[in-house]
Amino acid sequence: NAGVTQTPKFQVLKTGQSMTLQCAQDMNHNSMYWYRQDPGMGLRLIYYSASEGTTDKGEVPNGYNVSRLNKREFSLRLESAAPSQTSVYFCASSENWRGGFFGPGTRLTVL
Amino acid sequence: GNSVTQMEGPVTLSEEAFLTINCTYTATGYPSLFWYVQYPGEGLQLLLKATKADDKGSNKGFEATYRKETTSFHLEKGSVQVSDSAVYFCALSPLSGGSYIPTFGRGTSLIVHP
Repeated sequence: NAGVTQTPKFQVLKTGQSMTLQCAQDMNHNSMYWYRQDPGMGLRLIYYSASEGTTDKGEVPNGYNVSRLNKREFSLRLESAAPSQTSVYFCASSENWRGGFFGPGTRLTVL
Repeated sequence: GNSVTQMEGPVTLSEEAFLTINCTYTATGYPSLFWYVQYPGEGLQLLLKATKADDKGSNKGFEATYRKETTSFHLEKGSVQVSDSAVYFCALSPLSGGSYIPTFGRGTSLIVHP
């Protein structure tokens, strides 16, 4: 039982490059979330998926797209990376947010 | 809208000192309340939770009581250890349109010195 896994753990991009952050959970949760964490800003919700086949914008969706590939997997894509997207990205899953389980994070630097 | 306010850090304590991290919230209805801990280089881990007024959540010596009258959920520990050094997040989760979208505070860094 791995919980929530994220790949990659670290990534450096140049401005304008694209990449996809992968997230998978093995707890059979319906809901999955993508957050970014910046110093002094706490956690900000980018996108969430309440159930397989649905996605919705969170607080800071601009510059990102998501795909709920199946019940297990929820990916986050940066089409044209910008320095403002330098952050730590966390994926989480939950069933009715009775607590939530977080992945270990992806540390992204955009030069 | 919903919001969570935490005391600003860092909170710096000596080992075996008493810890309080204040958390207040604004929400409609009756949210569930949570404390998470984040150790350096890791994701958030659920520390404790409470789902209704006057409930006390507890784990690893930490406690917090859901106070509806003061809309608070302060985190306490009687005797902190160096290993408790981490960032602590308060959060709430209401039911919103069928989706459970949690709201997090900005986090409070705790530094415990030997």
